[in-house]
Amino acid sequence: EAGVTQSPTHLIKTRGQQATLRCSPISGHTSVYWYQQALGLGLQFLLWYDEGEERNRGNFPPRFSGRQFPNYSSELNVNALELEDSALYLCASNRNRESTEAFFGQGTRLTVV
Amino acid sequence: DQQVKQNSPSLSVQEGRISILNCDYTNSMFDYFLWYKKYPAEGPTFLISISSIKDKNEDGRFTVFLNKSAKHLSLHIVPSQPGDSAVYFCAARGTGTASKLTFGTGTRLQVTL
Repeated sequence: EAGVTQSPTHLIKTRGQQATLRCSPISGHTSVYWYQQALGLGLQFLLWYDEGEERNRGNFPPRFSGRQFPNYSSELNVNALELEDSALYLCASNRNRESTEAFFGQGTRLTVV
Repeated sequence: DQQVKQNSPSLSVQEGRISILNCDYTNSMFDYFLWYKKYPAEGPTFLISISSIKDKNEDGRFTVFLNKSAKHLSLHIVPSQPGDSAVYFCAARGTGTASKLTFGTGTRLQVTL
């Protein structure tokens, strides 16, 4: 069974551009979470999608947005990129909203120059 | 507001000895607590969890203890092995629409020979 897959692995953008990060959850999982791990910091919760709807949002500005598709894959969009957006972006999936442990992908390393 | 705290950024333990990683939380509404292990350039890997109605859960070399009155949990690794060297994150799950994982900032464990 394939795990959570994220693409691309690495992404380099210039300040002001937009970045799109993609996540495919484990087959059968309906919940997808996005986290940001900036250098030296813990995992900061960004967004939670379940059954195609946004269920919760972390303390991030509106230029961080996303969506979940009918096949439960998800996309994270970051508009008007700033240098401090450089981080590892991690996607995780859960079987459903009641499940406990989330399974993480390997992450997308976003670098803003 | 840091609801989940790991106050020790790093820990060094000799091979074969016990590693004890600590975590404190402030939100009494958390219903599950989890530990994840993370190697560089990889996503976090689930290790072990505990329900808020229990005080101990054991899985092989890993044991998690929960002290609800103190709002404290710990992960014990016995015996420690060099392959255990990684960053360990404590996480707590909220309930309902807050059913996301809130992570601590991590503790870097180094197991020395």
